[in-house]
Amino acid sequence: NAGVTQTPKFRVLKTGQSMTLLCAQDMNHEYMYWYRQDPGMGLRLIHYSVGEGTTAKGEVPDGYNVSRLKKQNFLLGLESAAPSQTSVYFCASNPDRGLGRNQPQHFGDGTRLSIL
Amino acid sequence: AQTVTQSQPEMSVQEAETVTLSCTYDTSESDYYLFWYKQPPSRQMILVIRQEAYKQQNATENRFSVNFQKAAKSFSLKISDSQLGDAAMYFCAYRSARSTNAGGTSYGKLTFGQGTILTVHP
Repeated sequence: NAGVTQTPKFRVLKTGQSMTLLCAQDMNHEYMYWYRQDPGMGLRLIHYSVGEGTTAKGEVPDGYNVSRLKKQNFLLGLESAAPSQTSVYFCASNPDRGLGRNQPQHFGDGTRLSIL
Repeated sequence: AQTVTQSQPEMSVQEAETVTLSCTYDTSESDYYLFWYKQPPSRQMILVIRQEAYKQQNATENRFSVNFQKAAKSFSLKISDSQLGDAAMYFCAYRSARSTNAGGTSYGKLTFGQGTILTVHP
């Protein structure tokens, strides 16, 4: 099993450009998450999804949109990239609350995004 | 809302020595989970150890152990016999165990501390 796969691993954008980060998991997990990691701030939740077709806002959702059209994929979009969105982005997944009550999240390897 | 605080931005230890990383958290909940994650330069997030709040016994995984003080809301990580491969960023994380029956599902969301960079000297 590949686990959680993020693409791309690295990207440089210009201010105002748009892009989509893809997260794919092959563990049939219900819950998926997008976090951003910034120096001195740890990881902060951007958006999450509790099942196919659902999305919800996390702690820092502004400037981002997400979609979960298929259970295995969770997409993070930046419509108009800003330098403040320069960060490392992590996707994670978890079984639902019944199976995943005490299971740790499975993380992808991250995407380093630089916005000039 | 829960908060997690790691007050040590950087720590260092000599190889084969013991080091303790601190973590405190704030919550009004009684049922939750605590985790320590390791992030080496490869950027991977690797689970080191986890603790269920309802368990009084401190979790242990080989050279890694925790000192869980529920009343003090403290969750420190002790690394014994430190190795060069232990050098990494370490994150403490909190997860509510709330389910629908308890008045709202947390959906497994994690709240992270700021991280502690651990350097291991040969």
